[in-house]
Amino acid sequence: DAGVIQSPRHEVTEMGQEVTLRCKPISGHNSLFWYRQTMMRGLELLIYFNNNVPIDDSGMPEDRFSAKMPNASFSTLKIQPSEPRDSAVYFCASSTSGSSYNEQFFGPGTRLTVL
Amino acid sequence: GNSVTQMEGPVTLSEEAFLTINCTYTATGYPSLFWYVQYPGEGLQLLLKATKADDKGSNKGFEATYRKETTSFHLEKGSVQVSDSAVYFCALKISNYQLIWGAGTKLIIKP
Repeated sequence: DAGVIQSPRHEVTEMGQEVTLRCKPISGHNSLFWYRQTMMRGLELLIYFNNNVPIDDSGMPEDRFSAKMPNASFSTLKIQPSEPRDSAVYFCASSTSGSSYNEQFFGPGTRLTVL
Repeated sequence: GNSVTQMEGPVTLSEEAFLTINCTYTATGYPSLFWYVQYPGEGLQLLLKATKADDKGSNKGFEATYRKETTSFHLEKGSVQVSDSAVYFCALKISNYQLIWGAGTKLIIKP
């Protein structure tokens, strides 16, 4: 399997612009996570999907952030409008779900820079 | 509340040295514990885990023992290599999907 695929790997944009990050989870995985990693705050869970349904979005910082999962093989994280404080590395991860914890497989991340 | 505390980095060692990265936690009950590793430019990947007290997780020469009495899960390796240079994250499971992450410890191994 190719693993979790994220695109783009790097994104540089100007404040106020819309940014869309994309993720393709591992085939057969029905749980998907979006994380944000910064030096100041470490690794933060933004949103968790199970079977394409958002289950926990309590980590989404504000209304400028939105995430969708239209099908089992694709998810997007959108920031509109973007701000310099959104600069971070954004990871997508996937796993199988069940009654116990299952290993999360991370993508390589998207490094976002908002000028 | 639930939390994970890791020793601050960077930790710099010479090749073949003994490694310890400390991790302590606070939690209700007896959660599962994990170590993830992040190599430069990559996402995190599971290194090892332990699901109950006194369990020892091990992988690639790394070990960690779940110590309930000291609420600790320290990562150890007897002889590190340059290829072990990475950032190591301790994590605590609080639900069937959610982890509480430590801040990460950067490890630098010099040849």
